[in-house]
Amino acid sequence: DTEVTQTPKHLVMGMTNKKSLKCEQHMGHRAMYWYKQKAKKPPELMFVYSYEKLSINESVPSRFSPECPNSSLLNLHLHALQPEDSALYLCASSLNRGEKLFFGSGTQLSVL
Amino acid sequence: EDKVVQSPLSLVVHEGDTVTLNCSYEVTNFRSLLWYKQEKKAPTFLFMLTSSGIEKKSGRLSSILDKKELSSILNITATQTGDSAIYLCAVDREYGNKLVFGAGTILRVKS
Repeated sequence: DTEVTQTPKHLVMGMTNKKSLKCEQHMGHRAMYWYKQKAKKPPELMFVYSYEKLSINESVPSRFSPECPNSSLLNLHLHALQPEDSALYLCASSLNRGEKLFFGSGTQLSVL
Repeated sequence: EDKVVQSPLSLVVHEGDTVTLNCSYEVTNFRSLLWYKQEKKAPTFLFMLTSSGIEKKSGRLSSILDKKELSSILNITATQTGDSAIYLCAVDREYGNKLVFGAGTILRVKS
């Protein structure tokens, strides 16, 4: 299995909603990442987990809350988002931090 | 400030043409340079380059790193419509915590 699986593929939410994005990999990778990508822009790093511990938070607002329940799963909890948070949210994993990334297909998020 | 610059920003070619995409970088403690292809959603890994002057090849795609010039090129020969995508260049650093991405080159191959 060489895939990073993200669900849902699309999500529309209001500014008062609480939702979660999920990411799963079974490649034995020990580093997992959340990226945000706006249209026609490169991916921007949000969070890095290494061995299930949060190692990087790129000054992301607290309305985004990551969680790594185990080495195969990564969640991103969303609460009270703003319309400008609408973007493609990409999950990625690598064998260890700093090695090549395998990306999931992303969740296209729209905040109304 | 670390930066990665890709050129051209966009490119339109005809099937069968050969294209060269450029990536230049200024980062501290360079470790590797990576190329990704992004079609609809997920960027897919193409190459990772760490040593200068050694070409990596995969089918019609090849890439080479020039550490002296702080740059890399990605070549695609005999282009096909399926090569249409955004090509992203990213640089990883020693002790680094994140990839620094370039803005990407949008390639469109017309039939």
